[in-house]
Amino acid sequence: GAVVSQHPSRVICKSGTSVKIECRSLDFQATTMFWYRQFPKQSLMLMATSNEGSKATYEQGVEKDKFLINHASLTLSTLTVTSAHPEDSSFYICSASPRQGEKLFFGSGTQLSVL
Amino acid sequence: SQQGEEDPQALSIQEGENATMNCSYKTSINNLQWYRQNSGRGLVHLILIRSNEREKHSGRLRVTLDTSKKSSSLLITASRAADTASYFCATDPQGAQKLVFGQGTRLTINP
Repeated sequence: GAVVSQHPSRVICKSGTSVKIECRSLDFQATTMFWYRQFPKQSLMLMATSNEGSKATYEQGVEKDKFLINHASLTLSTLTVTSAHPEDSSFYICSASPRQGEKLFFGSGTQLSVL
Repeated sequence: SQQGEEDPQALSIQEGENATMNCSYKTSINNLQWYRQNSGRGLVHLILIRSNEREKHSGRLRVTLDTSKKSSSLLITASRAADTASYFCATDPQGAQKLVFGQGTRLTINP
């Protein structure tokens, strides 16, 4: 089946630094990728839809300048958490699908801890 | 915003028993999907059922969909300890270009 690779799996950083998370579709092209945030024992909250070659679509309440999304190619989307603070600590997950409206393939997630 | 509500929020059963999880949603959908998540990992797709389907099987999994009640159920038969995970339903609302996830059911299978 299709594979989505996400790196890093875990990152610990100091408050005020920026962290970049990569999401790659390894064996298919994805014009759209999705970024989610998940708190412990809770569901996935969609943060934004990453669109290849155009601006990302952010969900209500998600700060665009805080969570920068770049989808420069059909196989790579990046999420940069800028000037991270402890409240940004969370589990971030990306997903993509070879075909719109069909099942999603998820990355393995990134656990971000901001000290 | 979350569209789906799942119940129970947590379920603990003995190995070999059947586990049933329910999902309700609010708007018209194109399809409904079930995913599984092991702790600290990404989600794995289990099954997709389209709005014009009523039941679907995959191995030990059985999914039903009742569009008139806007609800779905996931049945895992003959449960195993390895089935311990969180299970999420996700809907593909008509007109939306994204999946909306339910709150999830944390399933624990006791050996």
